[in-house]
Amino acid sequence: AQSVTQLDSQVPVFEEAPVELRCNYSSSVSVYLFWYVQYPNQGLQLLLKYLSGSTLVKGINGFEAEFNKSQTSFHLRKPSVHISDTAEYFCAVSLLQGAQKLVFGQGTRLTINP
Amino acid sequence: EAGVVQSPRYKIIEKKQPVAFWCNPISGHNTLYWYLQNLGQGPELLIRYENEEAVDDSQLPKDRFSAERLKGVDSTLKIQPAELGDSAVYLCASSFESGTQYFGPGTRLTVL
Repeated sequence: AQSVTQLDSQVPVFEEAPVELRCNYSSSVSVYLFWYVQYPNQGLQLLLKYLSGSTLVKGINGFEAEFNKSQTSFHLRKPSVHISDTAEYFCAVSLLQGAQKLVFGQGTRLTINP
Repeated sequence: EAGVVQSPRYKIIEKKQPVAFWCNPISGHNTLYWYLQNLGQGPELLIRYENEEAVDDSQLPKDRFSAERLKGVDSTLKIQPAELGDSAVYLCASSFESGTQYFGPGTRLTVL
């Protein structure tokens, strides 16, 4: 079975500062990796995904993530955050083949302070 | 292109009452998912449809929950009877085949 651990439940940062949201996963087989963002009272929106190829993945809104197979991590980064980045961020995995069930982490609440 | 549509957005009911949620997926998406999101948690899959067939319903509490996807497009998720612990956000998502999942805004259920 797959599992996802988001190491920080809350991350407060100042506007224009860099941020890193950490994600580790556990799986006995290869997986796809995703980051989703959820703004208040809204559904989840895909930020970026890693399927194969380059381990550095660029997504929307200036976010990027790096897949590290040896450390089973997929940390999300942004060099300079904006107030509008305040949201809940979810890391998720799915199997390469077979059932396409997404397994989510518990989420990290990113709060941007002016 | 319209996204995944869900209704209602909010629902408040008393315990033991029935409730139903509706989802219209993105046009052309043959795979539909229902997720449960408890407060402060990530979503958890309840059921996955490929066209009209429920291919993964292992996490659906079948004593009180039911779902259908007639004609392989819209889907309805029902709870009967609702319990206090069912208060949560119910998310619908769709994808083409096993591709990227796109989520709707969710239905926030409050059971009193």
